[in-house]
Amino acid sequence: GAVVSQHPSWVICKSGTSVKIECRSLDFQATTMFWYRQFPKQSLMLMATSNEGSKATYEQGVEKDKFLINHASLTLSTLTVTSAHPEDSSFYICSAPDRGGNAGANVLTFGAGSRLTVL
Amino acid sequence: QKEVEQDPGPLSVPEGAIVSLNCTYSNSAFQYFMWYRQYSRKGPELLMYTYSSGNKEDGRFTAQVDKSSKYISLFIRDSQPSDSATYLCAMEGSKIIFGSGTRLSIRP
Repeated sequence: GAVVSQHPSWVICKSGTSVKIECRSLDFQATTMFWYRQFPKQSLMLMATSNEGSKATYEQGVEKDKFLINHASLTLSTLTVTSAHPEDSSFYICSAPDRGGNAGANVLTFGAGSRLTVL
Repeated sequence: QKEVEQDPGPLSVPEGAIVSLNCTYSNSAFQYFMWYRQYSRKGPELLMYTYSSGNKEDGRFTAQVDKSSKYISLFIRDSQPSDSATYLCAMEGSKIIFGSGTRLSIRP
């Protein structure tokens, strides 16, 4: 089945530094990828839709300059948290839609997630 | 009102019990309904998806959709300790909306 690899799985950084998270589709091409944020015991909150070859689409309330998204190829999207602060500490998860065998449904394959802790 | 409502639990049942997980929704435009399972500190994984109303069975899991009531369910038969996880419902219209997740614990 479809596999999405996310790296790093966890990262600790100092306040004010930037952190890059990579999301790769290993055995399929993904023109679109989604980035979510998840707080403890809460649901997935869509942050942005990453589009290969064009600008990302951000959800309302998500700062574009804070969370930089680049979709450089059909298998790679990156999320960079710029000038990170403790309130940015969270679990970030990427996903890609896999239509193979699922007639019409945008079934998502998720990465394992990246836990960011900003000191 | 949230578009998708899901009881957060936690729900604790003994091994072998039948588990019923539910979500309600308000947007009648939703066409695809999915259930994801998420283990602690991991990304969600797809369990089942259904299109429109009806039932779908896969092993010990049964997904049920009632569009007239805007209500979906996931039943787990012969529950196992390995089923302990958070279960998220998800629905697709113009975008995919997730429920808040129900934490399930199966006691050996």
